[in-house]
Amino acid sequence: QQQVKQSPQSLIVQKGGISIINCAYENTAFDYFPWYQQFPGKGPALLIAIRPDVSEKKEGRFTISFNKSAKQFSLHIMDSQPGDSATYFCAAINGKDSSYKLIFGSGTRLLVRP
Amino acid sequence: DAGITQSPRYKITETGRQVTLMCHQTWSHSYMFWYRQDLGHGLRLIYYSAAADITDKGEVPDGYVVSRSKTENFPLTLESATRSQTSVYFCASSERGVSYEQYFGPGTRLTVT
Repeated sequence: QQQVKQSPQSLIVQKGGISIINCAYENTAFDYFPWYQQFPGKGPALLIAIRPDVSEKKEGRFTISFNKSAKQFSLHIMDSQPGDSATYFCAAINGKDSSYKLIFGSGTRLLVRP
Repeated sequence: DAGITQSPRYKITETGRQVTLMCHQTWSHSYMFWYRQDLGHGLRLIYYSAAADITDKGEVPDGYVVSRSKTENFPLTLESATRSQTSVYFCASSERGVSYEQYFGPGTRLTVT
């Protein structure tokens, strides 16, 4: 119930294309869903996040779509650029849990070809 | 240096040796976390701490020990290193009530031979 399942494991997209990464969860107590971006040799960094009371959040070329009934959320990267090549992790957290732990998906390695 | 730092950045050690990885944050965040990252497994939580002198196990705690005598430091010790502990280790911190964001350090790449 604590898992967040992420797919695909890897993704290759041409420059200018749309990258889509999907995540699914079971625990309905989760109330915050962030996406982290990690470049090689660096630690992950928060990219964008959404709460379950909205269905979509957009920041520049990055959009989270959230489907509460299906318990799924996805990251869309529009006009993908080579600089977007990184590993992306979805995550979820139950803010009422005193541990304050993020539950991470297994990650997606994105390669954007020039 | 402001932020969250980890040392050493790279470490090679032999099986059976004790190794300590250091983590230091300058924000006075209450929460600190240790993760390991392995190909195909994403980020797995080893231990976390809600405050000084309060620590708890995460998903993969076996073979690791933590302590937190000061808010800003959260060292991770491998008591007797094994080859299966070869990994990249990340420390992170966050503060309840501000946001749920965790701030990650640059990582320590540990190789156990």
